[in-house]
Amino acid sequence: EAGVVQSPRYKIIEKKQPVAFWCNPISGHNTLYWYRQNLGQGPELLIRYENEEAVDDSQLPKDRFSAERLKGVDSTLKIQPAELGDSAVYLCASSLGETGAYEQYFGPGTRLTVT
Amino acid sequence: GEDVEQSLFLSVREGDSSVINCTYTDSSSTYLYWYKQEPGAGLQLLTYIFSNMDMKQDQRLTVLLNKKDKHLSLRIADTQTGDSAIYFCAPRRDSSYKLIFGSGTRLLVRP
Repeated sequence: EAGVVQSPRYKIIEKKQPVAFWCNPISGHNTLYWYRQNLGQGPELLIRYENEEAVDDSQLPKDRFSAERLKGVDSTLKIQPAELGDSAVYLCASSLGETGAYEQYFGPGTRLTVT
Repeated sequence: GEDVEQSLFLSVREGDSSVINCTYTDSSSTYLYWYKQEPGAGLQLLTYIFSNMDMKQDQRLTVLLNKKDKHLSLRIADTQTGDSAIYFCAPRRDSSYKLIFGSGTRLLVRP
């Protein structure tokens, strides 16, 4: 079974430029998460989707970040414009659901460097 | 303060047991997970424990949970060089289903 797929793996951009990250979750997983991992720290949740609906976006900086999950499968996370402090690894995860011990499975991440 | 705390670094000799400790603050976490992260990679789910359990064993991994003290530990038996990585404990907050991560413990296995 294929795992969570993310692209690109690496991205280097100049500040004020836009950037987008793509995620394809494990087949059949209804719940999708975007996390940000700063250097030397654990991941922090940015947004959680249940099918197409963003059910928790309280940690998403909405002035510059946006996300979508059309048709409840793939998802895109966008930053516009990027700032130096956005340099981090952006991780996508998916799970079957929320109740029970539905484990979250992570993709390899996109490492963003803003110069 | 920190929701999840772990010691930053642990060094063990190959073949020895490793014990990685974690304390957390949210007593409502029904599920608590352990993840492994190798350099440049995503997080690999290792195991999890349900909060009404004291212990769970999964091959070389043993998870101990002291719910009263909000203390979780991961024991790796017969530690191998391939176990060198960063280990995160992550309680799942029941109110939001969000995993709460600390800064992780870097495990170094010496030959």
